[in-house]
Amino acid sequence: AQKITQTQPGMFVQEKEAVTLDCTYDTSDQSYGLFWYKQPSSGEMIFLIYQGSYDEQNATEGRYSLNFQKARKSANLVISASQLGDSAMYFCAMREGLDFNKFYFGSGTKLNVKP
Amino acid sequence: DSGVTQTPKHLITATGQRVTLRCSPRSGDLSVYWYQQSLDQGLQFLIQYYNGEERAKGNILERFSAQQFPDLHSELNLSSLELGDSALYFCASSEGKTSGRDEQFFGPGTRLTVL
Repeated sequence: AQKITQTQPGMFVQEKEAVTLDCTYDTSDQSYGLFWYKQPSSGEMIFLIYQGSYDEQNATEGRYSLNFQKARKSANLVISASQLGDSAMYFCAMREGLDFNKFYFGSGTKLNVKP
Repeated sequence: DSGVTQTPKHLITATGQRVTLRCSPRSGDLSVYWYQQSLDQGLQFLIQYYNGEERAKGNILERFSAQQFPDLHSELNLSSLELGDSALYFCASSEGKTSGRDEQFFGPGTRLTVL
């Protein structure tokens, strides 16, 4: 089974609107961490947001928030007020295991923001 | 700029050859990670080092090896190269915490092309 599943290969959103990128994960560990990264066309990977499995509040970082639903094993990324510069690939990732020594990335979602 | 440096930026070589990719982590980070990003496989975790010692191993082939030196820079050695090894190789660094938030900061990557 896939550890991280991103079911949306590509998405479009109108500038200034909000968009949700889906991510579901599979783990039997109680302690794990979830991350989102952005990869613009230039290729670099940029850390966006982190959610720990024991965090009761949904994580927020500026225009990014993580909709964490533990029972459903989902960790969706919400981008508010989309900007043209948000056009990029977005990857969901998970750390689990003893000493958090296992890392998995999803296949990514390509977001296009339309003017 | 993440503070992680990788050299070279591009590398073109032939099948059967051996190459070395180099990574310098952010100042203060003790952990280095290597990832392979290819078109058909997404981002795959290869290996992690922490303060000179191997900490975690992912989908790293036997033809590949890595090490982290006392000054904390790391090298990834790829030998007996095959066409399928053509990919973008990322190095990332983090503080190396074994629980909680320990985001990885990625370098710009090395684009390897095997002809």
